[in-house]
Amino acid sequence: QVQLVQSGAEVKKPGASVKVSCKASGNTFTIYDINWVRQATGQGLEWVGWMNPSGDTGSAQKFQGRVSLTRNTSVGTYYMELNSLRSEDSAVYYCARYIDGQGFVLWGQGTMVTVSS
Amino acid sequence: EIVLTQSPGTLSLSPGERATLSCRASQNIPGNYLAWYQQKPGQAPRLLLYGASSRATGIPDRFSGSGSGTDFTLTISRLEPEDFAVYSCQHYGIPPYTFGQGTKLEI
Repeated sequence: QVQLVQSGAEVKKPGASVKVSCKASGNTFTIYDINWVRQATGQGLEWVGWMNPSGDTGSAQKFQGRVSLTRNTSVGTYYMELNSLRSEDSAVYYCARYIDGQGFVLWGQGTMVTVSS
Repeated sequence: EIVLTQSPGTLSLSPGERATLSCRASQNIPGNYLAWYQQKPGQAPRLLLYGASSRATGIPDRFSGSGSGTDFTLTISRLEPEDFAVYSCQHYGIPPYTFGQGTKLEI
C-alpha cells in the first residue's frame, strides 16, 4: 500500500526559501504524477503545481518563477521549493498523486510552513 | 482558468437527513473532469467522487454525484455522524486544477 509521507513542519523568515519533500513509501520504483496543493488556516484548497512521470512541470500562474518542483527517482521522493517567502505563504502544503481521469487519489499528511519574522 | 463556486458556504443538518451541495463552474468542464473531496479537521482531503459521478475506492454508496458542463451536485442520501466535514469540488482535466472554496457541512 503506497503512502505519501511528507517532511516535517518548517518555520522560515520572509524572503527565505523552503523545500518540502514527499516520499512514496511502499513503492519507490514507480514514478508518479505528483501535484502540490496548499491550504492557509481556515481557507480553501489552492493548487500550486504538478510534475508528471516524464518530468514535465507546471504551476499556477501566481507561483510561476517562485516555485520549483523536482524529484529524486532513485529514492521515490518529490520536492517542492518555494522562494521569496512572504507571510501569506504560511499554509499547510500537501503533495497528492494524480491519476488522469480520477483526480488526486492519494494525499500526503501535509507539511505546515510558517513564515514569520 | 476555471473558477468554481460552491454553495451554500455552510449547511446545517442532522444525522439521517439528506445533504445537497452545489458546485458551479465559470465555464464548461471538459470531459466532466470534476472531483469532490471530503476534509475533516487536521486531516488531508480524501477523494470521494471523480468524473462527476464515479465513487472512489471505499466510498459508501450514500455519496453520489451528478451534473455536467458547468453545474454539479454532491448528494449524501442519509447523513452519518462521520459525514460532517468540509467538501470541496475541483476540476482536474487541464491545468490549472482549481478548487471551489468549500462547503462546511455541520450538525
